[in-house]
Amino acid sequence: KAGVTQTPRYLIKTRGQQVTLSCSPISGHRSVSWYQQTPGQGLQFLFEYFSETQRNKGNFPGRFSGRQFSNSRSEMNVSTLELGDSALYLCASSLAVSGVGSPLHFGNGTRLTVT
Amino acid sequence: AQSVAQPEDQVNVAEGNPLTVKCTYSVSGNPYLFWYVQYPNRGLQFLLKYITGDNLVKGSYGFEAEFNKSQTSFHLKKPSALVSDSALYFCAVRDGSGNTPLVFGKGTRLSVIA
Repeated sequence: KAGVTQTPRYLIKTRGQQVTLSCSPISGHRSVSWYQQTPGQGLQFLFEYFSETQRNKGNFPGRFSGRQFSNSRSEMNVSTLELGDSALYLCASSLAVSGVGSPLHFGNGTRLTVT
Repeated sequence: AQSVAQPEDQVNVAEGNPLTVKCTYSVSGNPYLFWYVQYPNRGLQFLLKYITGDNLVKGSYGFEAEFNKSQTSFHLKKPSALVSDSALYFCAVRDGSGNTPLVFGKGTRLSVIA
């Protein structure tokens, strides 16, 4: 079974630009979560989707948005990029709502660098 | 809101010695607890979980964790460390309601020295 696929693996953007990151969950998984990983802050929760509905949202500014499609694939968008948005963005999928019973399965992440 | 503390940024242990990576948590209600491991340039891999039942949970690669409700701890352990265990370890918690996200600690870097 294919794992969680995140594209692209690496991105370099300039301040003020916007970016879209994509995540394809494991087949059959309906829940997708996004996390931002930075060396100083660890993993910070961004969003959680289940069957196209946003169930939880983390404490990030409105520049960060996401969505989930009917095939469970998910995208997140960051507008008006800032230098502090440079991070590894991780997507994870699970059978049920994240953490309840079934563990999260993570992709290898998208490394975003903002210059 | 739930939270996780991993009090050690770095743990060093000699190969063959037992290892412990510490985790304490705060959550309202019953906790769902997880350990994940991250190797360089990779995503996180699930190691083990505690939902209910036995306080000692066994997981992948010979790891185990002990749930202690009175101390609100969920320490990760392994009887004999391998150099290949060197990685970044994350503890995570959520409450059992399903209405809150999985919250991670800041991670502990384990270094096993040959």
